[in-house]
Amino acid sequence: GPKVLQIPSHQIIDMGQMVTLNCDPVSNHLYFYWYKQILGQQMEFLVNFYNGKVMEKSKLFKDQFSVERPDGSYFTLKIQPTALEDSAVYFCASSSGLASQNTLYFGAGTRLSVL
Amino acid sequence: GEKVEQHESTLSVREGDSAVINCTYTDTASSYFPWYKQEAGKSLHFVIDIRSNVDRKQSQRLIVLLDKKAKRFSLHITATQPEDSAIYFCAASHNSNNRIFFGDGTQLVVKP
Repeated sequence: GPKVLQIPSHQIIDMGQMVTLNCDPVSNHLYFYWYKQILGQQMEFLVNFYNGKVMEKSKLFKDQFSVERPDGSYFTLKIQPTALEDSAVYFCASSSGLASQNTLYFGAGTRLSVL
Repeated sequence: GEKVEQHESTLSVREGDSAVINCTYTDTASSYFPWYKQEAGKSLHFVIDIRSNVDRKQSQRLIVLLDKKAKRFSLHITATQPEDSAIYFCAASHNSNNRIFFGDGTQLVVKP
């Protein structure tokens, strides 16, 4: 089936550094999402993105977070600077249409460890 | 905003038995309810969904029921197999936004 690729699978960085998480969404999808998973269970919505713009973001999407997808390249989540509480698994997802009507396809996640 | 709750954090069944995972939601405008499965160390993948214009949907061994009055929906897995063991997430969404709200997940263990 359709695949979303996330690079890297694991990232370890020191607190205060910048990190960029990369996502290669399904090729014909138009909507992109980032979710944060804590403690192996809670899936928390961070942000969704369409047509080059953030559509919605949650309270977890702090000022230190930013997303972009320059044409034809990765959909990225950048955290600058990182904090200890940013340690989690970050999942990227994409869909061909609105999440209320279309299946979200998830990547395998990037485990971020902030030391 | 929408809040989705999964009542069972863990569920253990014997192979061949049925498993039922229950969820409730708060927003009466929610109209789309997908279920996702996450195996150990892997990503979420879609398993089945139901929309608010029906109250039951079946796909092979999976049945989803929706009770709009009670704002409750459930996933029934019949004739469980060890490979059904995973975390199952229920979710809800409605047309006025582009968010999927997830429950906290239910760890299903199917014992041989």
